[in-house]
Amino acid sequence: EPEVTQTPSHQVTQMGQEVILRCVPISNHLYFYWYRQILGQKVEFLVSFYNNEISEKSEIFDDQFSVERPDGSNFTLKIRSTKLEDSAMYFCASSEEGGTEAFFGQGTRLTVV
Amino acid sequence: DQQVKQNSPSLSVQEGRISILNCDYTNSMFDYFLWYKKYPAEGPTFLISISSIKDKNEDGRFTVFLNKSAKHLSLHIVPSQPGDSAVYFCAVSSPNSGGSNYKLTFGKGTLLTVNP
Repeated sequence: EPEVTQTPSHQVTQMGQEVILRCVPISNHLYFYWYRQILGQKVEFLVSFYNNEISEKSEIFDDQFSVERPDGSNFTLKIRSTKLEDSAMYFCASSEEGGTEAFFGQGTRLTVV
Repeated sequence: DQQVKQNSPSLSVQEGRISILNCDYTNSMFDYFLWYKKYPAEGPTFLISISSIKDKNEDGRFTVFLNKSAKHLSLHIVPSQPGDSAVYFCAVSSPNSGGSNYKLTFGKGTLLTVNP
């Protein structure tokens, strides 16, 4: 069964450093998303991406964040100048065109120290 | 900003009995409702969904009920199995202004424990 894959599973970074979280969405999906879950809190929408551009972003997704689809298979989330409060599980998801069921990857646990 | 509320942080049931997970939402414009299951250290797994034009959708042991007038949905699992033990998230889907892709707004989740 096709699945969304994310790498790495765990990333530890120094405060102020840049990190890139990587995702390979399901191959025939056209809509891509990033969500995050801070420990003990709800899963929060960050950004959606379609046709090589951001289609919607939340208040959390400020200038510190960026997304890119560098090739036909990868979808990345870059966090510049990481802060302690960026520590969270980051989930990538994808959905079919017109589909409302998003399929999630297993997540990347980001720890900023 | 609690658009989706799951008021029970946890629920414990016996194997073979029915599990009922509840969810309330605030915005009557939401048009699609979903349930996700999440095990520790894994991403949310899509379970079942329902469109706002329906009031019931069934898939095997899982049934979702939607009461639009009360802005309430519930997930019934019957019979419950120990492998169903997980966190269950209610989510609502709303299209962006272009009407294309849909972002999900999640509740805080309910931890279901099914005891053998």
